[in-house]
Amino acid sequence: GDSVTQMEGPVTLSEEAFLTINCTYTATGYPSLFWYVQYPGEGLQLLLKATKADDKGSNKGFEATYRKETTSFHLEKGSVQVSDSAVYFCAPDPNQAGTALIFGKGTTLSVSS
Amino acid sequence: DSGVTQTPKHLITATGQRVTLRCSPRSGDLSVYWYQQSLDQGLQFLIQYYNGEERAKGNILERFSAQQFPDLHSELNLSSLELGDSALYFCASSPGGDTQYFGPGTRLTVL
Repeated sequence: GDSVTQMEGPVTLSEEAFLTINCTYTATGYPSLFWYVQYPGEGLQLLLKATKADDKGSNKGFEATYRKETTSFHLEKGSVQVSDSAVYFCAPDPNQAGTALIFGKGTTLSVSS
Repeated sequence: DSGVTQTPKHLITATGQRVTLRCSPRSGDLSVYWYQQSLDQGLQFLIQYYNGEERAKGNILERFSAQQFPDLHSELNLSSLELGDSALYFCASSPGGDTQYFGPGTRLTVL
């Protein structure tokens, strides 16, 4: 069945460091790909998305590129801030039709000043 | 603020009891999803409704049920509660496209 694998956390970085959170998926067909973020004590928020191969999603300095050949959607940010401390979830939508997302286990990012 | 509301925010109950969690989707959103988030299982999809009809089922236990009402709000009913049902329960809504908007969650503690 469809699944997603995220790198294990926690990821601990200093402010202004470069961030990469790896995400790979298995799916039949070509799913839409999402990154959601969960700040402490809150629900999930959409961070960015890409709907087809080679698309780059971007938001708030974060980027991720839909790599069909490697079935990956790694999240990157050039310079993290303390306010980026949160849990990040990679999620493919296998049917591209607003059906249920398959969430990875989440990667906790902790940024210190 | 996503526009999705969930009540109550916290719920503490005992094993064997039954509880109802409520979700009001964003105005105009026809789809409602329920997810369970626990430390050991992560975030898991439970069930989806679209305009009052069940659309998809995930890892939802038989002790759990849900419905979506004509005004589009949804309720998740959890019965014969066990300690392992303690978790955060999220509701999300969608206008029918691919983006889901999550509520703040209901934290259920079963003692």
